[in-house]
Amino acid sequence: DTGVSQDPRHKITKRGQNVTFRCDPISEHNRLYWYRQTLGQGPEFLTYFQNEAQLEKSRLLSDRFSAERPKGSFSTLEIQRTEQGDSAMYLCASSFPQTRDYGYTFGSGTRLTVV
Amino acid sequence: AQSVTQLGSHVSVSEGALVLLRCNYSSSVPPYLFWYVQYPNQGLQLLLKYTSAATLVKGINGFEAEFKKSETSFHLTKPSAHMSDAAEYFCAVSEPGNNDMRFGAGTRLTVKP
Repeated sequence: DTGVSQDPRHKITKRGQNVTFRCDPISEHNRLYWYRQTLGQGPEFLTYFQNEAQLEKSRLLSDRFSAERPKGSFSTLEIQRTEQGDSAMYLCASSFPQTRDYGYTFGSGTRLTVV
Repeated sequence: AQSVTQLGSHVSVSEGALVLLRCNYSSSVPPYLFWYVQYPNQGLQLLLKYTSAATLVKGINGFEAEFKKSETSFHLTKPSAHMSDAAEYFCAVSEPGNNDMRFGAGTRLTVKP
């Protein structure tokens, strides 16, 4: 297994456009998390899935944001009508808490720049 | 809700010197605590974690951290810094049963030759 994969690595988009990011977690991990990281800050929790169910969403996740994990494997994060304030690194992580390991495995992130 | 505070946004040490990165946490229940490292344009890599076992935790790359409940601290140390240790370090906390891992703002470590 190659770890958590995110695609694309970089995305530049014009304000008002929609963007979609993809995350492929470690195959046996049933939990998947999305975080946003702005320059000079730590990652901020956005949402998480247990298998295909989205169980928690942060207040940071406005109506323009939507995340899915339709088959409990990969996940997508879509941002509609992007704004300059959406420019950030979007990190995906996965975990398998049943192992009592508790640490998350992060992907390399998708850096979004809204111009 | 749980939170962490990392004292010092930037720490600079000489190669071979002691590394000390500070982290204090706030949690209403006994927490799980983590240190992650991030290199430029990369994701976060787990260095070590405390999950209520031994209070002195050893991680990768020679790093270790000690959980001190009385001080609500989980400082990261390494006896001798190496140039390759230059990176951003994040302390994180989660509460058992809570799926929201909270991160500190990070400490950028610079290692001078």
